[in-house]
Amino acid sequence: AQTVTQSQPEMSVQEAETVTLSCTYDTSESDYYLFWYKQPPSRQMILVIRQEAYKQQNATENRFSVNFQKAAKSFSLKISDSQLGDAAMYFCAYRSAGGAQKLVFGQGTRLTINP
Amino acid sequence: NAGVTQTPKFQVLKTGQSMTLQCAQDMNHEYMSWYRQDPGMGLRLIHYSVGAGITDQGEVPNGYNVSRSTTEDFPLRLLSAAPSQTSVYFCASSRTASLGYTDTEAFFGQGTRLTVV
Repeated sequence: AQTVTQSQPEMSVQEAETVTLSCTYDTSESDYYLFWYKQPPSRQMILVIRQEAYKQQNATENRFSVNFQKAAKSFSLKISDSQLGDAAMYFCAYRSAGGAQKLVFGQGTRLTINP
Repeated sequence: NAGVTQTPKFQVLKTGQSMTLQCAQDMNHEYMSWYRQDPGMGLRLIHYSVGAGITDQGEVPNGYNVSRSTTEDFPLRLLSAAPSQTSVYFCASSRTASLGYTDTEAFFGQGTRLTVV
């Protein structure tokens, strides 16, 4: 079974600085998808960014980018120019491209932005 | 565009009571699932469905029941509530993932905070 590990329960960063959240996963599959979700205090789950494993190019969405290392099974999220609104719980998630296609989540990282 | 509608948002149950969490989506997604979120454990899969009439167990299925009679609806039933089921519950839907597709992310309801006393 696939597993996702986020080793940083909490992170903090100064406003306008850059922060990187770590995520590793374990799988024997070659085709899959990876996601970062944001959960603000409102509890809503919001997609931040996604990466298809068959793409070598790292995904970017405005101030958010990933460092996808397929061989190392690593999928970190970099947030540039951090803003107060970025404060939230962040979840890394894995989804198979075949089979049951379950979405598996990491434990989450709580990000605090210091003004 | 409603997306995923999940009700209720809050619920308090007494031990042994039963209830149904409702989930509906209007995106014609084949795949629907239920998760529970507990501190320090992320979201854990309870049950999922790959289409109407097809359901299967996830990681933590005990004490929960599901059915999928239509593409749109995927209710979660707590048969006899226990304090260990105190949690935040999320319903999610997505299209079936296939190699080459990019829009395979899950869309989530707003969650239900359930307390069992």
